[in-house]
This record gives sequence, structure tokens and C-alpha cells, in this order.
Amino acid sequence: GEDVEQSLFLSVREGDSSVINCTYTDSSSTYLYWYKQEPGAGLQLLTYIFSNMDMKQDQRLTVLLNKKDKHLSLRIADTQTGDSAIYFCAESKDSSASKIIFGSGTRLSIRP
Amino acid sequence: NAGVTQTPKFQVLKTGQSMTLQCAQDMNHNSMYWYRQDPGMGLRLIYYSASEGTTDKGEVPNGYNVSRLNKREFSLRLESAAPSQTSVYFCASSGDRVGYTFGSGTRLTVV
Repeated sequence: GEDVEQSLFLSVREGDSSVINCTYTDSSSTYLYWYKQEPGAGLQLLTYIFSNMDMKQDQRLTVLLNKKDKHLSLRIADTQTGDSAIYFCAESKDSSASKIIFGSGTRLSIRP
Repeated sequence: NAGVTQTPKFQVLKTGQSMTLQCAQDMNHNSMYWYRQDPGMGLRLIYYSASEGTTDKGEVPNGYNVSRLNKREFSLRLESAAPSQTSVYFCASSGDRVGYTFGSGTRLTVV
């Protein structure tokens, strides 16, 4: 069945780059997402990438997709304390997002 | 502000009590969803409604019922709460744009 996996924790130093990794099993996934959840809040869509792309950059965020290995990563450059959050990898088969499958989330903590 | 509104934000129930979690969106989205979030398990889909008048089971529907009252509102009911239903519940909606819009969640404790 469909599955999305990611590590539970990541700790980085302020100013360094953070790289959060994710693997998924469904080769028919069309959209791959990164959501951010700040403490006490709901999830917010951070960025997404189509399966026919291998990279997407948006300011400090870079998403890399290796479709052959079903591996997705999110790189946050110059990590700041405001980046502390849980980051969820997710996938769906279509843009209407009728069923998005979420990973378990990676808690990113920033140390001074 | 436009978005997804969930009520209540916090609730404590005794085992066996019932309650309804309310969700409303004002973005004219067709699809709405209920998820539960548990530590280390991510989000699991309870029920979803692809359009007004339809509902379908997700991954973990047991112990829950839903009602798509109209296009705006999608409620989740616990008929007889159990401690295993202690969780944070999120409602979400989706329309033409990519991805979901989430509410801020309801933190439910069943004692």
C-alpha cells in the first residue's frame, strides 16, 4: 500500500542548512508536498513539486526529487529559530488532493 | 480571515460520553477531511467528503461518524468516547488549488 516515511527528529545549528529526507512507496504519486506545523497550529503547505520535476527552489527552500529511488528532500538554507517546527512529507495522485498520504513528520530543532 | 475554523479548541471527555467536533470552511471548497494526529504516527485520515452529500471512510474510521451538513460544514461525532481516541483532530479542505488548508485543531482528552 501507500506509505511515506521520514525520520522523527533533526537538530541543526542556527545558520546551517537543514536537510529533511523522505521516502515514499507509491510510484504513481503525482504531487509531493512539504507541510510545516508550528506548535499548537495546523499544518501549512510549505511547497510542493510535480513528479515530472527533479528540483524546485523557493527562496531558502530547495526541494529535490529522485523519482527512481522515490526519495524527496527539503533543504532549508541558513536555518533560523523560526524554522523550528514539524515538517511533514506527503504525496497524492492528483491536484485535487482527494487523498493526501502524510508521513509521520520530522521535528526540526535549532540549537544556538 | 478566510480559512478552516474548528471548534472547540480543547475538550476533556469522560469515557462513554459523546461529542461532536465542528468544522467550517469559507473558501467554497468541495472536499473536506478529518484527520487525527498522534505522536510518532503523523496524520491518519478518519473520514473525508469529496463533495457535498458524500462521505467516505479513511484509514481509521472506527468509533467515529461524520456529517457533511452543507458545502461549508463537516462535523465529526464520537458516539461513545474511549481513551484511545485521545488525540489532536484536524479538519482540512481542498478545492482547485494544490494541497489542503488545515484548521488549527481540536485537542481531545478522554479520561
